[in-house]
Amino acid sequence: EAGVTQFPSHSVIEKGQTVTLRCDPISGHDNLYWYRRVMGKEIKFLLHFVKESKQDESGMPNNRFLAERTGGTYSTLKVQPAELEDSGVYFCASSQTLGGGAYEQYFGPGTRLTVT
Amino acid sequence: GEDVEQSLFLSVREGDSSVINCTYTDSSSTYLYWYKQEPGAGLQLLTYIFSNMDMKQDQRLTVLLNKKDKHLSLRIADTQTGDSAIYFCADAMEYGNKLVFGAGTILRVKS
Repeated sequence: EAGVTQFPSHSVIEKGQTVTLRCDPISGHDNLYWYRRVMGKEIKFLLHFVKESKQDESGMPNNRFLAERTGGTYSTLKVQPAELEDSGVYFCASSQTLGGGAYEQYFGPGTRLTVT
Repeated sequence: GEDVEQSLFLSVREGDSSVINCTYTDSSSTYLYWYKQEPGAGLQLLTYIFSNMDMKQDQRLTVLLNKKDKHLSLRIADTQTGDSAIYFCADAMEYGNKLVFGAGTILRVKS
């Protein structure tokens, strides 16, 4: 079974540009999460999808960040326009529907975003 | 807001036991987790403990939870060089809910 995949693995962009990160969860996982780790600090929650609906987006830093999950499969996270403080590693995770072992979130390898 | 804290670095010799500590602030935490991140890889769930448990053992891993002090520890017995990684403590208030992570502890195992 394929794990959570993320693309790209690394992105370097200039301040003011737009970047779109993609996450493909494990097939059949309704729950999809985005997290971010900035400059070696703690990993912080951004948002949680259940299928195509945003269940919790309390961690989204501001309106420069837009997450979508059309069709309830893969998800994209767009940063527009990017700022220097957006640099970090963006992780995606997925889990099964509650009652099916939802306590275990499977993480992807992350996308390292560098804004210069 | 909720906070999870860990020591930043731990160095041990191969064959010794490693103990990584974590403290959290939210008394509503239901599940507490230990994740491992090897270089270039994603986060791998090592083990978790439900808040009504004091201890959980899984092969070389032992998790101790002191709910009164909000203290969680991970003990790795017979530490191997392959255990060198970053270890993250995390908690969640509800089943399947968002995780709140610590900053991670870098474990270095010397041969």
